[in-house]
Amino acid sequence: DADVTQTPRNRITKTGKRIMLECSQTKGHDRMYWYRQDPGLGLRLIYYSFDVKDINKGEISDGYSVSRQAQAKFSLSLESAIPNQTALYFCATSLEVEQFFGPGTRLTVL
Amino acid sequence: GQQLNQSPQSMFIQEGEDVSMNCTSSSIFNTWLWYKQDPGEGPVLLIALYKAGELTSNGRLTAQFGITRKDSFLNISASIPSDVGIYFCAGQRGRSNYKLTFGKGTLLTVNP
Repeated sequence: DADVTQTPRNRITKTGKRIMLECSQTKGHDRMYWYRQDPGLGLRLIYYSFDVKDINKGEISDGYSVSRQAQAKFSLSLESAIPNQTALYFCATSLEVEQFFGPGTRLTVL
Repeated sequence: GQQLNQSPQSMFIQEGEDVSMNCTSSSIFNTWLWYKQDPGEGPVLLIALYKAGELTSNGRLTAQFGITRKDSFLNISASIPSDVGIYFCAGQRGRSNYKLTFGKGTLLTVNP
């Protein structure tokens, strides 16, 4: 079984809809991250959490929110999706520096 | 903000050739990591470097932590078709801050 799982793997939605992307991990790591990947722009950090009570904004947090429900679960929400949020979204976890990524969610906002 | 300049942006090589790519920054980093992303998948950690000057190998892959702490290099020897993918460098700056800064990636294509 995969250590870091993301659901859904693919999602198509319409402008203005609320969307939640979920991430679960069995690695026992305290630190979890959400990234966005766009072609040619690499990985950009949206939010990160160093433990259940800790939430921090990354470099591109506008339009997104997160919830850390438990050590193993970290969800990303788009309250009102817009087309320029169409991207690949990755969750990652770490014990210290080395981060381990999930398989990604491909989100399309029409 | 911190930036990592990764080059080249893309490479198209023949099977069996060696490959080199690098990342540079104007800032000092404490840790350098190299990841590979296969199409449709998440990045997978290849090599982690923790000390300036460190040279580490993982099979046909060799990476080095630059002596100035502002750069890192990844070499792939005797490339094979499954080496195809996007290679990312990532750096960590603060000793207690575990955030990573990522390069924009090098797209490697290997022609059989």
